[in-house]
Formats: sequence, structure tokens, C-alpha cells
Amino acid sequence: DTGVSQDPRHKITKRGQNVTFRCDPISEHNRLYWYRQTLGQGPEFLTYFQNEAQLEKSRLLSDRFSAERPKGSFSTLEIQRTEQGDSAMYLCASSPWGSGISYGTEAFFGQGTRLTVV
Amino acid sequence: DAKTTQPNSMESNEEEPVHLPCNHSTISGTDYIHWYRQLPSQGPEYVIHGLTSNVNNRMASLAIAEDRKSSTLILHRATLRDAAVYYCILSALIQGAQKLVFGQGTRLTINP
Repeated sequence: DTGVSQDPRHKITKRGQNVTFRCDPISEHNRLYWYRQTLGQGPEFLTYFQNEAQLEKSRLLSDRFSAERPKGSFSTLEIQRTEQGDSAMYLCASSPWGSGISYGTEAFFGQGTRLTVV
Repeated sequence: DAKTTQPNSMESNEEEPVHLPCNHSTISGTDYIHWYRQLPSQGPEYVIHGLTSNVNNRMASLAIAEDRKSSTLILHRATLRDAAVYYCILSALIQGAQKLVFGQGTRLTINP
């Protein structure tokens, strides 16, 4: 068990470009979450998956953002036509089957992908 | 959304106990109280959680008020490695989603 893995760790892109981030959750964790964190703020919920189903999306997730978890394992978060306001740390977390955060179990976070849009 | 209120920052000395307070006056009966911490350049890390009773684990203790409107995270003997931002969170079932709603957290500084 190597924990939640995110790739890349850092990404610098020009405004208007598309970027894609990958998250590999802990094996057999059926729930996967994406959060965004800007400097000095707590993480903000973006979306979450139970297996391959995307069950909730925050209003923060504009139509330029899309997330997938095609086989219920790894997940990708794509941002199209990036803007400077998209600069942030993007965090992925997973939690195990048969339970969820609201049932009081632990979520495991990755180290995040830091996006800088110039 | 049920929200939490924490002091922006706290300071303590190494090897002394630390009590981090959290107010959550709008907590519902099914909300769990979670504590996570975040070290610089790291993702949040689980510390402890509870529902009604006080909880202890190897990292910390969680004291929950009888009316559940407040709680306190207790680090029994702080070390320099405990310097982090500590988040008190209520897990919520909101619009079908089970998610953690983070606030601003408390930045804990540990003096040697």
C-alpha cells in the first residue's frame, strides 16, 4: 500500500491551455474525492466518485472542469482553457468500501498537484 | 452546511500539552466530528474522529462536549513535528454527497 498517488506534483501551464491530472487511490478504496486548495485557505470540495459513478459535483466545478474514473480505479481531472484563477493545489483523497466520510471513517489524501497558470 | 469555528492560530511549547478548540453549534445528530492536519506542502492527514464519546488514539485525544456543540483536540505532548494547520470538520451528507467541508483551520506553532 503506497498511499494515494497524484501525478504530476507540479504543473506550470500557459493561460488557455488544457491540463490533466491523475490520481491513483489506495487499492480497493471505492470512494474518491477531488478538492482544490488555494494559498492560505482550507481545501474546497470539487467532486466525488463511488466506484466509476460521479455522484456529486460542486458549483465550483465549472464546465471547463471534468473528472472521470472510468474503471473505478484511477481518476483524472481535466481543466480546459485554463485561467489564472485556476492556479491552486488540487488534492485527491480516497476512502474504503462500505463506509464513507459521513460514516466517520478516515480519508487518505495524496500530496496534491500544484498548478500554476501563467 | 454545518460549520466549525476555530482560532486562526495558536502557539505552544515543545513537550507541553496542546488543546485546540472547535465550536460547531449547528451540528446535526448524524454529523461526525473529524480532525485533520496539514503539514507544509502535504495533503491533509487524518488525526481522529468521534460522534458523541471522547476518543483516544496514538496521535491525540478528542474531547466532545455533552451537547456536541464544541470539541477539543488534545495533543498530549507536542513535538516540533506537530506544527501544522489543524482542521476541525463535520462530515455531512449534503445533496447525496458525503464530503468533508474544511474551514480555515488553526495554525499551530510549536516553540522549541
